[in-house]
Amino acid sequence: NAGVMQNPRHLVRRRGQEARLRCSPMKGHSHVYWYRQLPEEGLKFMVYLQKENIIDESGMPKERFSAEFPKEGPSILRIQQVVRGDSAAYFCASSPLSGASTDTQYFGPGTRLTVL
Amino acid sequence: GNSVTQMEGPVTLSEEAFLTINCTYTATGYPSLFWYVQYPGEGLQLLLKATKADDKGSNKGFEATYRKETTSFHLEKGSVQVSDSAVYFCALRDTGTASKLTFGTGTRLQVTL
Repeated sequence: NAGVMQNPRHLVRRRGQEARLRCSPMKGHSHVYWYRQLPEEGLKFMVYLQKENIIDESGMPKERFSAEFPKEGPSILRIQQVVRGDSAAYFCASSPLSGASTDTQYFGPGTRLTVL
Repeated sequence: GNSVTQMEGPVTLSEEAFLTINCTYTATGYPSLFWYVQYPGEGLQLLLKATKADDKGSNKGFEATYRKETTSFHLEKGSVQVSDSAVYFCALRDTGTASKLTFGTGTRLQVTL
């Protein structure tokens, strides 16, 4: 059973460009979470999605950031007009809809975004 | 709101030494508690968890007990190895349906020969 997949693993963008980060949850998982880790800091929650629904976006910056989890395909975290302060590691996690492990989130390897 | 406080690192130990990494939390209700480990350049791996008071989570020689009275979930290992060198994160998840994790800032552990 493949784990959470994220791509690209490394992404370099110039200021003002767009960044698209992709996340495929574990098979059978219907909840997806995005977290951001700034250098030498812990992870901060950004957004929680289920298929075609945003459940909690309380951690998302109001401007330039958006996320989706379509019926088909991976979840996408999109950052428009990137700035240097967006440089960070972005982690996706997934959890199942039901069962004993609904409270456990399984993390992908992360996408390390560098903004030049 | 919820919060997690971890002891600051780095923690440097010799191989076979005893490890304790302190973690305390603030939460409403009865959260689930987790320890995750992050090796250099990698994502987070679940190390252990506990879902109710007095539960003990354990894995790979690591243990942590959910102490409601002291709102703590300290991580311990009796004899660390060089391969345990990593960053350790304490986290909580609110009760109820699936929801976000709140993380501590992480504690870097360096184990030397």
